[in-house]
Amino acid sequence: GQNIDQPTEMTATEGAIVQINCTYQTSGFNGLFWYQQHAGEAPTFLSYNVLDGLEEKGRFSSFLSRSKGYSYLLLKELQMKDSASYLCAATDSNYQLIWGAGTKLIIKP
Amino acid sequence: EPEVTQTPSHQVTQMGQEVILRCVPISNHLYFYWYRQILGQKVEFLVSFYNNEISEKSEIFDDQFSVERPDGSNFTLKIRSTKLEDSAMYFCASSERGSSYNEQFFGPGTRLTVL
Repeated sequence: GQNIDQPTEMTATEGAIVQINCTYQTSGFNGLFWYQQHAGEAPTFLSYNVLDGLEEKGRFSSFLSRSKGYSYLLLKELQMKDSASYLCAATDSNYQLIWGAGTKLIIKP
Repeated sequence: EPEVTQTPSHQVTQMGQEVILRCVPISNHLYFYWYRQILGQKVEFLVSFYNNEISEKSEIFDDQFSVERPDGSNFTLKIRSTKLEDSAMYFCASSERGSSYNEQFFGPGTRLTVL
């Protein structure tokens, strides 16, 4: 079956760094997305990885290891507005997004 | 910046009634999607649509659901006879392409409450 695993909740301090991990099992693989979702709002795109390695975009970076079925999202210089759920989604052989349940990130001052 | 829009933002209906949720995808996008998210749960894929037909659908998308692109801009999701368990946030999304890097842009959602 297809499955995405990520931690349910994480807590971090303003100004710090946090890494949110995601493991995936899909029938076929055509890339991995990270989305941010604030409560009651739509998911918004953060990053896409299809090749192994690190993609950096400002304070956010995303890493992929296809052989391990593993990705992480790294958030640096955390701000209070980063408090949100972070959704990992893998694209299967039909280019359909398979979603994780999301990691709720709580930022404390 | 172009965006996906959805109406209404909130719909309340009685069990057994039909509802139509409306979406206007980004104008040059060719692939359209409906997702639902029950409160506190994960985003669930319902259906994808391309070239005026369904390209993929999940097991959630049973006979009570249908989608339509009635004109060049709207994309609708119809639920024929709503059940209590259909209460959820319904998100429409669109993308330029359906393969490889297919960043999907989400609308703000319609919160459906079935009483």
